[in-house]
Amino acid sequence: DIQMTQSPSTLSASVGDRVTINCRASQSISDWLAWYQQKPGKAPKLLIYKTSTLETGVPSRFSGSGSGTDFSLTINSLQPDDFATYYCQQYQTYSYTFGQGTRLEI
Amino acid sequence: QVQLVESGGGVVQPGRSLRLSCAASGFTFKTSGMHWVRQAPGKGPEWVGVISYDGSKKFYGDSVKGRFTISRDNSKNTLYLQMDSLRVEDAAIYYCAKDRGTGWLGMDDNWGQGTLVTVSS
Repeated sequence: DIQMTQSPSTLSASVGDRVTINCRASQSISDWLAWYQQKPGKAPKLLIYKTSTLETGVPSRFSGSGSGTDFSLTINSLQPDDFATYYCQQYQTYSYTFGQGTRLEI
Repeated sequence: QVQLVESGGGVVQPGRSLRLSCAASGFTFKTSGMHWVRQAPGKGPEWVGVISYDGSKKFYGDSVKGRFTISRDNSKNTLYLQMDSLRVEDAAIYYCAKDRGTGWLGMDDNWGQGTLVTVSS
């Protein structure tokens, strides 16, 4: 299986900050990478697919980049609603795998 | 709008079986691939498997391969997950999720609310 490693595990930030979460794949996944946001008690919410394509309705302050093995999610001008846990996920090969998560806290 | 509603979760003893269902509405089910994803308490999501739009192709995660079976009934707009030889580590919330295409484009943002499976003696 392809292993996905996120960094950092926890990120402390303030409203208005710009933050970046990194994700590294154990082998090349081209651009088959998605990012999810999850809040307690809720299903993961898809933010970005195919590395950089925003899901419909996702604010433009979210952006994704990368290719091959190294990827990042950037959130500009953090809003109170953005404090949550974020997961990357590869879907280049079965079985799909998720990163261990990055908790974004105030 | 797209709606996915899981059911069938509950408490089961190790080694026993359970079947989950996912009732779909609001989209053309028969042309959509479907996934199962699970999440153990306090852990990240884990992909369980996928079934193509017509049921002809299925793929599973390594931890459930040989024990779990995904199927679908397109006449009933329903997805199933048959879980056999359950283990304590299979305890999780199980979500069904819609594929962006016929089964090979990854999950889109349509997920159910989840159903809880507890495996305990």
